[in-house]
Amino acid sequence: GQQLNQSPQSMFIQEGEDVSMNCTSSSIFNTWLWYKQDPGEGPVLLIALYKAGELTSNGRLTAQFGITRKDSFLNISASIPSDVGIYFCAGQLRGSQGNLIFGKGTKLSVKP
Amino acid sequence: DSGVTQTPKHLITATGQRVTLRCSPRSGDLSVYWYQQSLDQGLQFLIQYYNGEERAKGNILERFSAQQFPDLHSELNLSSLELGDSALYFCASSVGGADSGNTIYFGEGSWLTVV
Repeated sequence: GQQLNQSPQSMFIQEGEDVSMNCTSSSIFNTWLWYKQDPGEGPVLLIALYKAGELTSNGRLTAQFGITRKDSFLNISASIPSDVGIYFCAGQLRGSQGNLIFGKGTKLSVKP
Repeated sequence: DSGVTQTPKHLITATGQRVTLRCSPRSGDLSVYWYQQSLDQGLQFLIQYYNGEERAKGNILERFSAQQFPDLHSELNLSSLELGDSALYFCASSVGGADSGNTIYFGEGSWLTVV
């Protein structure tokens, strides 16, 4: 099936550092979503993007819907230990009726 | 808490058996989605129901089936289980079935182990 290319696969950073991760695809998406998943839990929605070029913030998190509609990035500023987890991008194709295509995830580790 | 409720949280069963996973969507949500998460395949869309009717199908095996009941809860039935079916099964819900602007919220998952 279709895949999103999410990078990096993992990151190990110091507390207080900024983090950036992104997703790219060869397909055009109508919607980009960013989720965080903690061990044993379901993905929790962080940010939803609905328009090309849209830049949205949620606290220390900022995400953008790429102009080409084929990519998106997520930035986390001033990371803290509770940011640890796996971050997934997910895209929704036009007419897909809610079928989300997920990236493989970025595993974030934060060193206090 | 996303408002999506899944039961059971954990399930261990033998190969060849059949199990049923249950999901209650968020209040007011008409769409229910089922996803499978495994280590090698990541999160994969299985199937979607909207107001009781099947709306979209993804990578769902023929051994698996689902339905959405009049009260909008959904069940995912997994039969003739194989070792490779061991995975986290997530239910998600959203208000509508249209694409744009349709935010999807996930439950905490049902962890299935086939032995």
